[in-house]
Amino acid sequence: QQQVKQSPQSLIVQKGGISIINCAYENTAFDYFPWYQQFPGKGPALLIAIRPDVSEKKEGRFTISFNKSAKQFSLHIMDSQPGDSATYFCAALEEHTGKLIFGQGTTLQVKP
Amino acid sequence: DAGVTQSPTHLIKTRGQQVTLRCSPKSGHDTVSWYQQALGQGPQFIFQYYEEEERQRGNFPDRFSGHQFPNYSSELNVNALLLGDSALYLCASSLRSLGATGNTIYFGEGSWLTVV
Repeated sequence: QQQVKQSPQSLIVQKGGISIINCAYENTAFDYFPWYQQFPGKGPALLIAIRPDVSEKKEGRFTISFNKSAKQFSLHIMDSQPGDSATYFCAALEEHTGKLIFGQGTTLQVKP
Repeated sequence: DAGVTQSPTHLIKTRGQQVTLRCSPKSGHDTVSWYQQALGQGPQFIFQYYEEEERQRGNFPDRFSGHQFPNYSSELNVNALLLGDSALYLCASSLRSLGATGNTIYFGEGSWLTVV
């Protein structure tokens, strides 16, 4: 049972463009939504996170948009750079267990 | 400030063998969780340790076991290894007292296990 669905599976963006990755969840017990960036051979690194009482959070070029009623959230990467090329995972934290449920991942390639 | 450290970084085992992976959480963190990440997949929750006890468990067989020590470090043990156990094993640390919504979960670089 996939509790967090992520799309697209892969994404190619030109340098300077906007990268958009979408996630949807089902469990209303989720109450914290982080995004992780993972480079090949490395562990996931926390990029940005949001709580459901906030509709948008921005940190530098990275923005999370959150729609609680639709149970959807998305990551926007502005002015995408070749160094942003990596796999991105959305995740949702279960309120009572502390367990992170991950999406399937999106492989982003930013072309120079 | 040291982040989450894991060892070994890579190892190769034969089917049927046993493996032990180690993790030291980020300084000040008291909760350790383990995740399995198969190639091309998102990490899957194995279990979580707090106060030296297993608190939560994901959908993994009893061949997967763990331990947490008084200094909060942790071990993941896998017995009777199968080819399908080949994956990146990730350790994540957090501070339980912050609660779920205030917490930041940090991951180590992982231990790559290959079962042949």
